[in-house]
Amino acid sequence: GEDVEQSLFLSVREGDSSVINCTYTDSSSTYLYWYKQEPGAGLQLLTYIFSNMDMKQDQRLTVLLNKKDKHLSLRIADTQTGDSAIYFCAETLGGYQKVTFGIGTKLQVIP
Amino acid sequence: GAVVSQHPSRVICKSGTSVKIECRSLDFQATTMFWYRQFPKQSLMLMATSNEGSKATYEQGVEKDKFLINHASLTLSTLTVTSAHPEDSSFYICSAPRTERNTIYFGEGSWLTVV
Repeated sequence: GEDVEQSLFLSVREGDSSVINCTYTDSSSTYLYWYKQEPGAGLQLLTYIFSNMDMKQDQRLTVLLNKKDKHLSLRIADTQTGDSAIYFCAETLGGYQKVTFGIGTKLQVIP
Repeated sequence: GAVVSQHPSRVICKSGTSVKIECRSLDFQATTMFWYRQFPKQSLMLMATSNEGSKATYEQGVEKDKFLINHASLTLSTLTVTSAHPEDSSFYICSAPRTERNTIYFGEGSWLTVV
């Protein structure tokens, strides 16, 4: 079945690294995404990873995928106050069209 | 720049009125688009699949007479919330897959407040 789980809240100090975790249940996931939503704003695609990859790095963002454990993580290096937002993990199954979202992790960055 | 444009980004309407939200693919054609809704402090849930030239496919529990979807052209899908109530207040967002790039794009989303 389709199910994406995330912790609800993460608090880090400015300058530290943040790691947001996500688990998914369907091994046929093809694309896994991380989206950012700032308060009162729309959805911003941060990065995505194909299911045949295990790591992707993009500037301060590092995505790790453990297919065996169905675990996806997003690491934000040198976290800034502007990174405070809700981060959604999402997957697509058997293609790339319909997206299933996790509940979102609220990241709070303490100055 | 935006590949999928959604309008309006924010709208306030009175109870009982209808409000239309547009989703446009800007430089590609999309025979299929998707509409999602985000309840407060919850995730985004798929509402319906919009199909160009045919009826939309609604997810279980979504009232099709309440949320009218029209996909009249290859670049435009509209979601009309009819006879809006305060509980319809939510964040609505559309997506459009770009087939030749194997990629899906989301609109910016629309915040609806029904007063």
